[in-house]
Amino acid sequence: EPEVTQTPSHQVTQMGQEVILRCVPISNHLYFYWYRQILGQKVEFLVSFYNNEISEKSEIFDDQFSVERPDGSNFTLKIRSTKLEDSAMYFCASTQGTTREQYFGPGTRLTVT
Amino acid sequence: QKEVEQNSGPLSVPEGAIASLNCTYSDRGSQSFFWYRQYSGKSPELIMSIYSNGDKEDGRFTAQLNKASQYVSLLIRDSQPSDSATYLCAVNGGSGNTGKLIFGQGTTLQVKP
Repeated sequence: EPEVTQTPSHQVTQMGQEVILRCVPISNHLYFYWYRQILGQKVEFLVSFYNNEISEKSEIFDDQFSVERPDGSNFTLKIRSTKLEDSAMYFCASTQGTTREQYFGPGTRLTVT
Repeated sequence: QKEVEQNSGPLSVPEGAIASLNCTYSDRGSQSFFWYRQYSGKSPELIMSIYSNGDKEDGRFTAQLNKASQYVSLLIRDSQPSDSATYLCAVNGGSGNTGKLIFGQGTTLQVKP
């Protein structure tokens, strides 16, 4: 059964460093998302991506964040200068349509020290 | 601000009982409703989707939707200890829908042997 994959599973970085989180969505899906979940809190939407451009972003998704689909399979989230408060689980998700089921990857645990 | 509300629990039921999980949402234009299960430290796993008023059954799970009351519920019959997890209600849709999911804070279910 197709699934969303994410790498790395755990990333430790120092404050101010850049990180890139990688995702491979399900191959026939067209819509891609990043969410984050701070420990003990809700899953929060960060950004949606369709047809090679951002379709919606949240207030969290400021100028320090960017997304890219560099090729036909990968979908990346870059944080340019990490802050302590960026420490969270980051989930990638994909779907065939905006009202359809979204499937989540296993997540990347980002720890900023 | 579009919101999804759930009782955080914990909801404790004996093995074999029916667990009932509830969720309310604020955006009347919402079109799609999902229940995810999340084990500690893991990603959300889709267990049910529902799009129209009424009941939808899948194995031991039944989702119920009442758009007039802006209410979604999940029933788990014959609860098993392996059902112990946090159950997340997620909603999307409305004007300009990009597929963004809005999550509730989740209800923790404990099934006691």
